[in-house]
Order: sequence, then structure tokens, then C-alpha cells
Amino acid sequence: AQKVTQAQTEISVVEKEDVTLDCVYETRDTTYYLFWYKQPPSGELVFLIRRNSFDEQNEISGRYSWNFQKSTSSFNFTITASQVVDSAVYFCALSPPSGNTPLVFGKGTRLSVIA
Amino acid sequence: KAGVTQTPRYLIKTRGQQVTLSCSPISGHRSVSWYQQTPGQGLQFLFEYFSETQRNKGNFPGRFSGRQFSNSRSEMNVSTLELGDSALYLCATRPGLAGETQYFGPGTRLLVL
Repeated sequence: AQKVTQAQTEISVVEKEDVTLDCVYETRDTTYYLFWYKQPPSGELVFLIRRNSFDEQNEISGRYSWNFQKSTSSFNFTITASQVVDSAVYFCALSPPSGNTPLVFGKGTRLSVIA
Repeated sequence: KAGVTQTPRYLIKTRGQQVTLSCSPISGHRSVSWYQQTPGQGLQFLFEYFSETQRNKGNFPGRFSGRQFSNSRSEMNVSTLELGDSALYLCATRPGLAGETQYFGPGTRLLVL
């Protein structure tokens, strides 16, 4: 069975601090995809990144970076120099490469950035 | 490209009534999934449709049903509403099935009184 664990339920940081959101997954598939989504107070989930299990290179996009470590089944997300607009719930998700299985989501981490 | 649209955005119903929610996918997307989000249960998968066929179903009672039309638009219906059905209902679409990125709509906030 597939499972995604986001152990941090809520995190609060002061603006400009760096923050890392943890994501640990379980799967028996050798090929799979990992995702991160952001859900601001408006409610819509916004897609941030999709990563193939064969691509272990870390990725950076502006203030966002992702650290994928297959050895520890983790796909952590770091926000550098956090801003108030980063306040949201962040979800990590897992998907097999094919078939009919739906996305498996973690329970989310609520990030509050205080000015 | 236009994003995923959901209508209505807000809805208030009373117990026992039924409700129909609509989702229009991004052009070219043939897969539509529905999720229920509540503070206590988080994001829960309801069902997924692809080419007018239900491909997956979550663990919800039969009061929750859905369908997909030939233009890929999807509707979900909840009959005999209960207070616990109050939630944010999110629709997500993708071109095909597993592995591809799902794009979410803004959601429909349903309040059952």
C-alpha cells in the first residue's frame, strides 16, 4: 500500500526565516511520482512540483527548493527567506506511474509566517 | 489555457436535501477526480472519472455519486444531505491517468444546516 506522512501538523516561523517541510512516503513501486501542492486560505490547491523517482537531483525554483532522497524515502520542501504570502497548507502526494490508483496525499502541514 | 472551473462556489443546503456540483476541466484533460476536504478528515478521495467511466472510488456511502459527460465535464451529486457533508469539495483534472499532474479547481464550499 502507498502512504505519505507529513509529521509536522503546524509550523510557525517569523518572516525571512528558512523553513523545511518534511514528507516521507512508502511505496513498493520502483517507479513513482511525487508532488507538492500549496493550499492558500482561498482553498484552491496550487501545483508546485512533480518529481519522477528516477530523478534524484534537487530542484530549486526561486525561494523554493526540494530535496529528494530515495534512500530515506523523503521528499522535503524548503522555503528560503519566508514571506507572509507563503502562509498556507502544504500537501505532499504520491502516485504510481500508471494504472488507476489515485493520488495519495499526506495530511498536510500548515505553515504560518508571521511578519 | 483556462483553468479548472467549479460551480457553484458556495452553497447552503438543509439536511435531507440533495445537491449537484459541477466541474469543467482544463481543455484536453479527460480525467476528473473529486475530493472532500474537512478540518477533521483532511483530503479524502471520492472518485475519478476518465472518458465517462468511473475508474476509482473512495470509501464513501452510496449517497455520493458522480458522472462524466462526453465533453469531460463532470458532476457529483450528494443525496439526503447530512450535517457531516459540510465540506470543501475539490475537483482535479489531468490529461490521462496515474503519474500525470492533477490541477485543482477553486472548490465548492457546501454548508449543510
